[in-house]
Amino acid sequence: AQSVSQHNHHVILSEAASLELGCNYSYGGTVNLFWYVQYPGQHLQLLLKYFSGDPLVKGIKGFEAEFIKSKFSFNLRKPSVQWSDTAEYFCAVKNTGRRALTFGSGTRLQVQP
Amino acid sequence: GAVVSQHPSRVICKSGTSVKIECRSLDFQATTMFWYRQFPKQSLMLMATSNEGSKATYEQGVEKDKFLINHASLTLSTLTVTSAHPEDSSFYICSARTTVVGGEQYFGPGTRLTVT
Repeated sequence: AQSVSQHNHHVILSEAASLELGCNYSYGGTVNLFWYVQYPGQHLQLLLKYFSGDPLVKGIKGFEAEFIKSKFSFNLRKPSVQWSDTAEYFCAVKNTGRRALTFGSGTRLQVQP
Repeated sequence: GAVVSQHPSRVICKSGTSVKIECRSLDFQATTMFWYRQFPKQSLMLMATSNEGSKATYEQGVEKDKFLINHASLTLSTLTVTSAHPEDSSFYICSARTTVVGGEQYFGPGTRLTVT
């Protein structure tokens, strides 16, 4: 069965610090990869996605992620975080044989001003 | 962008009663909708996939007689929690996928269910 691991459960950073959140998945076939963000009290929003092509994907709000197939990873990065980035971040994977997404456990990011 | 709404946003019900949660795609048609459950500080767990005009597909371990799903139109899916118990208290989130092949999923704001 497909699974998604997010190793960082809670990350605390100061403003302007760089961010990298890890995401690893277990599925050997073709996958679509996503990062979602959930701001406090709001619904999930798509940050970025990878379907094919350039493994370095740029998303909204200055976020980017790199798909490394050999490592089954899709880590999220941002060079300089802001207080407004405080939120829960979820990595999700969809394989070609399944319509639904499989989510990681989420990483709570807290950015201190 | 595409908007998915859920109603109600929060509901409190007594143990043994049933609760219906609606999920609507407001500006697009969704042949497929998904129902997730999110426990506090945990991830979203897929409960079922609903397809317009056909029976829902439930994930292993999800009781289909307890969580009734109806997808009557291309813009509406409902989840009914029957004979609710306190352990059903949770955050229920729906998502809808556009009819475009490989279409993106859009998420509703969620419904907080509390069973007393």
